[in-house]
Amino acid sequence: AQRVTQPEKLLSVFKGAPVELKCNYSYSGSPELFWYVQYSRQRLQLLLRHISRESIKGFTADLNKGETSFHLKKPFAQEEDSAMYYCALRGNSGGYQKVTFGTGTKLQVIP
Amino acid sequence: EADIYQTPRYLVIGTGKKITLECSQTMGHDKMYWYQQDPGMELHLIHYSYGVNSTEKGDLSSESTVSRIRTEHFPLTLESARPSHTSQYLCASSEREGPVFGPGTRLTVT
Repeated sequence: AQRVTQPEKLLSVFKGAPVELKCNYSYSGSPELFWYVQYSRQRLQLLLRHISRESIKGFTADLNKGETSFHLKKPFAQEEDSAMYYCALRGNSGGYQKVTFGTGTKLQVIP
Repeated sequence: EADIYQTPRYLVIGTGKKITLECSQTMGHDKMYWYQQDPGMELHLIHYSYGVNSTEKGDLSSESTVSRIRTEHFPLTLESARPSHTSQYLCASSEREGPVFGPGTRLTVT
């Protein structure tokens, strides 16, 4: 079974402070991990995926297989980063690929 | 423009009615998904499809059914709507990249 855990429902930080949104996963094989973002009244959109190892809007995430984590980080939070963030895992289950999402973390950046 | 579309965007309907939520994508993706999400809450996978005539139930038990007769079309049907079905329904499709989501249908059953 595959599982994604985001321990924080809400994370409040001041503008300019560092941000770290936590994500832990449980999966027996080699997972593909993603971060999605949902701004107010907008559709859910892909922020980044671990395979591409890129930085999007200043966010980065490193897959740590030893700790089974894929935390999302940004050195200096901006007000426009306020949104819901979801960690997701794509893995094989019963011969099919499934994408499982965490419960989400609401990031609130205080001006 | 390559995208994924859902109609209707909002639906308010009475108990016992049959409803179909439409989802279409123009990206040629084989894999399509339906998720259920209450506002600000987690997403629950309720159905997925790997191609034409392939459908599977997801992690969350749902009274809805789906069909995949054409690659681009993945409708979800509720034979008899109930207030417990009130939620947001998100359709998505994918290939190599992570799922691309539609705008969602917000369903309210009165």
